[in-house]
Amino acid sequence: AQKITQTQPGMFVQEKEAVTLDCTYDTSDPSYGLFWYKQPSSGEMIFLIYQGSYDQQNATEGRYSLNFQKARKSANLVISASQLGDSAMYFCAMRELSFGGGFKTIFGAGTRLFVKA
Amino acid sequence: GAGVSQTPSNKVTEKGKYVELRCDPISGHTALYWYRQSLGQGPEFLIYFQGTGAADDSGLPNDRFFAVRPEGSVSTLKIQRTERGDSAVYLCASSSLAGNYGYTFGSGTRLTVV
Repeated sequence: AQKITQTQPGMFVQEKEAVTLDCTYDTSDPSYGLFWYKQPSSGEMIFLIYQGSYDQQNATEGRYSLNFQKARKSANLVISASQLGDSAMYFCAMRELSFGGGFKTIFGAGTRLFVKA
Repeated sequence: GAGVSQTPSNKVTEKGKYVELRCDPISGHTALYWYRQSLGQGPEFLIYFQGTGAADDSGLPNDRFFAVRPEGSVSTLKIQRTERGDSAVYLCASSSLAGNYGYTFGSGTRLTVV
């Protein structure tokens, strides 16, 4: 079963506008973590933002914020004031308990964001 | 080192050959992860090491895939009898034990099986 669902294969946004990238997840663990990563065309994976399942406040990191709606199991990424350099693939990910102890992170299929000048 | 280092950056091999992919994590990071990323898809979990031991190898697709981390630092992913379907980018990541702040990924090894 799909644990991380990103329903938008591609998104367009005008430079300087805000954009929301959708992510829903499925888990039965009471404690989990949610992440967003950026992957530019160069291929490196860049960690953007983290939200813990018990965190009361939505996470923010500069122009990135995570809209965490626990009851709906959604963790959307909001990018404010888009820049041309934001054009990239964006992956939502969830940390879950590993059966061997510790944690592992699983990733969604990604959303490709195109920022237009 | 300052970041996660993966070698080689590119590897082309013939079907049926054996390959080794190396990952040198950030110094002091006890957790090390291997992922495989096919074109247009998200990274797919393969195996996770905590120290020297493989804590979770549930993502390895079959017994042709094996990974080691003998001294708790450098890890090697080994693929026997390679198949064309093994072609992908193999990503390595490391994190501190807490792991709350995301992984640091290497630049990956692009494996092409011809």
